[in-house]
Amino acid sequence: EPEVTQTPSHQVTQMGQEVILRCVPISNHLYFYWYRQILGQKVEFLVSFYNNEISEKSEIFDDQFSVERPDGSNFTLKIRSTKLEDSAMYFCASTMDRGQGREKLFFGSGTQLSVL
Amino acid sequence: GDSVTQMEGPVTLSEEAFLTINCTYTATGYPSLFWYVQYPGEGLQLLLKATKADDKGSNKGFEATYRKETTSFHLEKGSVQVSDSAVYFCALLIIQGAQKLVFGQGTRLTINP
Repeated sequence: EPEVTQTPSHQVTQMGQEVILRCVPISNHLYFYWYRQILGQKVEFLVSFYNNEISEKSEIFDDQFSVERPDGSNFTLKIRSTKLEDSAMYFCASTMDRGQGREKLFFGSGTQLSVL
Repeated sequence: GDSVTQMEGPVTLSEEAFLTINCTYTATGYPSLFWYVQYPGEGLQLLLKATKADDKGSNKGFEATYRKETTSFHLEKGSVQVSDSAVYFCALLIIQGAQKLVFGQGTRLTINP
């Protein structure tokens, strides 16, 4: 079965540094997402992306966050100046465009971000 | 707002035991409901879903029934295996413009041989 690939699996950074989390969605998918899970808490929606623009974002997704699809295959999440509270598992997901296919999200295995 | 509440874990069972993981939700309208599973070192995978009241989703011996009257979507399996050890997430789907999943906190299940 096709899969969403995320790199790196673990990322350690210093507070205030910029990080970029990378994802390769499934090739024929058109909707892309980032979710995150802080340890012991719920998986939370961050942002959805379609047709090269953000279609929805949560309150968490402030000016420190940005997403990009730079080359038609990668989908990245950038955090400009990391804070301790950004430490979490970040999941990328993608789905097809239409009908019942939209309901099935394919998730990557996640990037564990640790901000020190 | 929309939310999902799951049974707190961790849950530890012996092989062949009966499993129930409770999930209740709060939503405006009639969302689709899902169970996702995360095996160690892997991503979230869709386990089963139900799109309307009284629908039963099933997969790999797991079942869950969409109960509108009790706003619940409990996950059950009659006889668990060691390979079922994983984290299970209940979720509902909102489609208003872009779609997004609202997840419960996850329940870690460990099955001992």
